[in-house]
Amino acid sequence: KAGVTQTPRYLIKTRGQQVTLSCSPISGHRSVSWYQQTPGQGLQFLFEYFSETQRNKGNFPGRFSGRQFSNSRSEMNVSTLELGDSALYLCASSFRQGPDTQYFGPGTRLTVL
Amino acid sequence: AQKITQTQPGMFVQEKEAVTLDCTYDTSDQSYGLFWYKQPSSGEMIFLIYQGSYDEQNATEGRYSLNFQKARKSANLVISASQLGDSAMYFCAMSWNDMRFGAGTRLTVKP
Repeated sequence: KAGVTQTPRYLIKTRGQQVTLSCSPISGHRSVSWYQQTPGQGLQFLFEYFSETQRNKGNFPGRFSGRQFSNSRSEMNVSTLELGDSALYLCASSFRQGPDTQYFGPGTRLTVL
Repeated sequence: AQKITQTQPGMFVQEKEAVTLDCTYDTSDQSYGLFWYKQPSSGEMIFLIYQGSYDEQNATEGRYSLNFQKARKSANLVISASQLGDSAMYFCAMSWNDMRFGAGTRLTVKP
């Protein structure tokens, strides 16, 4: 079974731009969660989607948004990029919503200049 | 609020020896899951082991075992017979509504 895939793997943007990251979960998994990882803040939960609905949201500004499609693929969008948004963005999928083993993708490394 | 604490920023272990990575958590909930993940320098998070709060026996997966002490709210990871490829960041996580991660422990295996 193929693992979680994320595209693109690397991205360089400038301040003020917006970016869209994509995540394809493991086949059969309906829950997709997004995380931001930085050296200073560690791993922080962004949001979780299940059956095309956002089920849970972390403490991030409204510039961070996401959606999930009927095939469980998910996208996250960051608008008006700031230097502090430079991070590794990890996507994880699980079969169930909530407390369930999550399997992570390789991540998208975003650099904001 | 749920909180995960990993007090060891870095650990060194000799190849073929066992090592214990500490993890304590804080929650008032009775039902939760505890996880350990490994993150090599490539960045991908690799699932290692899971322990449910109601599981009476400690979880084991190959060379990995989880020393679960519910009353002390600790979930330490034990890696037996360390290998050079075990060098990585290790994260403890707790799942309730969402997944919360500790700050991580960087393990270095010495030849």
